[in-house]
Amino acid sequence: RKEVEQDPGPFNVPEGATVAFNCTYSNSASQSFFWYRQDCRKEPKLLMSVYSSGNEDGRFTAQLNRASQYISLLIRDSKLSDSATYLCVVTASGGYNKLIFGAGTRLAVHP
Amino acid sequence: DTAVSQTPKYLVTQMGNDKSIKCEQNLGHDTMYWYKQDSKKFLKIMFSYNNKELIINETVPNRFSPKSPDKAHLNLHINSLELGDSAVYFCASSQDGRGRMNTEAFFGQGTRLTVV
Repeated sequence: RKEVEQDPGPFNVPEGATVAFNCTYSNSASQSFFWYRQDCRKEPKLLMSVYSSGNEDGRFTAQLNRASQYISLLIRDSKLSDSATYLCVVTASGGYNKLIFGAGTRLAVHP
Repeated sequence: DTAVSQTPKYLVTQMGNDKSIKCEQNLGHDTMYWYKQDSKKFLKIMFSYNNKELIINETVPNRFSPKSPDKAHLNLHINSLELGDSAVYFCASSQDGRGRMNTEAFFGQGTRLTVV
């Protein structure tokens, strides 16, 4: 089983749509959780951290359920510029900032 | 100014050659990393250094040797390159790799290595 598993893509949605990505992780001792975004042929960049209480940043909402080892990302009112690959990321236990990436889910927003 | 910069951006070389990729960060971070992204786009950590000390060393062939002359630089040397080494290699840095949660990692633009 992969350490971090994500919905397979691609997700093709029209502008203005709401889209949700899911992610599960296998190590219950994982300490920190993130969503990164990677544009085609570019480096990954932090989109948002994910907290147990859930957090929102504009059109983006992230949720964490530690009991189910489940992370989600909701994007409302999709824009063309949201088209990218979204990477679910957790840190391994052990005190080091070792990021473990999911394989990513590709989002394509069309007019 | 580029926060994490790596060179070269593209590298095409023949099997059996030895090559190096350089990385520098100007963010004042203590921790640097090398990640490999293969053809399936899966990002996997290879190495991590904290203040020039190796703290993460994943199962990587010993043909790969990282070197950190100071905390702002982390280079990757690859001996006897093989076809399977073709991938994009990303350097990254973060403020503190030990014990601090939710520490954002900043990535370089990547080095696209093609072994022919």
